[in-house]
Amino acid sequence: DAGITQSPRHKVTETGTPVTLRCHQTENHRYMYWYRQDPGHGLRLIHYSYGVKDTDKGEVSDGYSVSRSKTEDFLLTLESATSSQTSVYFCAISDWDRSGETQYFGPGTRLLVL
Amino acid sequence: AQSVTQPDIHITVSEGASLELRCNYSYGATPYLFWYVQSPGQGLQLLLKYFSGDTLVQGIKGFEAEFKRSQSSFNLRKPSVHWSDAAEYFCAVGDSGGSNYKLTFGKGTLLTVNP
Repeated sequence: DAGITQSPRHKVTETGTPVTLRCHQTENHRYMYWYRQDPGHGLRLIHYSYGVKDTDKGEVSDGYSVSRSKTEDFLLTLESATSSQTSVYFCAISDWDRSGETQYFGPGTRLLVL
Repeated sequence: AQSVTQPDIHITVSEGASLELRCNYSYGATPYLFWYVQSPGQGLQLLLKYFSGDTLVQGIKGFEAEFKRSQSSFNLRKPSVHWSDAAEYFCAVGDSGGSNYKLTFGKGTLLTVNP
């Protein structure tokens, strides 16, 4: 499972409140990613990080911010949650072997914004 | 921009029957291709991947996929489906350009297995 944990696993919140999701990895991977999964859309990249304090936007970054102050943790923040951000959020890491780079995923966080 | 199409939203097969899930991609260079499986309420598990070399790749759980450059396809196959294969399957193409690495996913194919 590439040593990835996500917290919380489930969360219900109200519109307008801030929410922070945490991704934690134990294997010192440099690259980390946040995706959201919605029915009919597959997975879409929100933000990614290529090192401590190095982050960049994905295709659906509006309304989200991220931070990475240490290698093992990648935080996703919804500054003011909206109902359209109800989704399942997955964290991923990149791992390299001699053939190339592969992403491995965490168990997900199910977020409901009321 | 790269893209992935999985033409079948939902497929139903009988247990023991063969399976083929279709995946077509659009990418300007040699693609990196992946198949992931997601069981209900679970994360994504890597089934197999193609980077280069032999165009027929073997994965876990008895799955295989064949890269066909001329058809821009990477179809997933299994000769005999088990009830435990019921899940959603995602094809993805990797972008190795520059200093970052991103995956683009198809929208998924939901597999139902009838007893």
